[in-house]
Amino acid sequence: DAGITQSPRYKITETGRQVTLMCHQTWSHSYMFWYRQDLGHGLRLIYYSAAADITDKGEVPDGYVVSRSKTENFPLTLESATRSQTSVYFCASSEIKRKAFFGQGTRLTVV
Amino acid sequence: QKEVEQDPGPLSVPEGAIVSLNCTYSNSAFQYFMWYRQYSRKGPELLMYTYSSGNKEDGRFTAQVDKSSKYISLFIRDSQPSDSATYLCAMTYRDDKIIFGKGTRLHILP
Repeated sequence: DAGITQSPRYKITETGRQVTLMCHQTWSHSYMFWYRQDLGHGLRLIYYSAAADITDKGEVPDGYVVSRSKTENFPLTLESATRSQTSVYFCASSEIKRKAFFGQGTRLTVV
Repeated sequence: QKEVEQDPGPLSVPEGAIVSLNCTYSNSAFQYFMWYRQYSRKGPELLMYTYSSGNKEDGRFTAQVDKSSKYISLFIRDSQPSDSATYLCAMTYRDDKIIFGKGTRLHILP
């Protein structure tokens, strides 16, 4: 299916475990983004990528790692999950700055 | 001071009313201004975007940017219950990062 898909949609993990959230887009967009959304904070940028093998930190990158070996994939890894990383995570892609398309989100709970 | 300020609401208005949603920002480097709509448990979807100051209209929606005041607005005419959602303003720097407001929850009462 065309578009942007995130997996899993829901994830429960334990403190200290490594977890990877997947993001895949079929448009060959250059830019990809990871945001987290929390009550009272809105959408906050974690990492973004302007092209394959080019990534940069956003507003809240600590505790997260990203890679982009292929244009269509942009996985986000929590190296050692903490409860403060419980959130809804959104991946987005865009070809031009003002038109970002978002996935459906991944609800992550760290217990 | 946050870069983008947006009143979280909730804002409740009767069906058919005109809705006004607003954001202020602090950095004059922003070039593109956008409004996203987010339904509960869904990802945000782009509603409208504008470049620099001025108005842009699309159906019942009008986006307005006043760069001199660092203020942007979204107007919804003839509001419908299906417009009930969270509306997020967003802006971009030249280096492609999109910065979002916290969102305003809107309820249209039938």
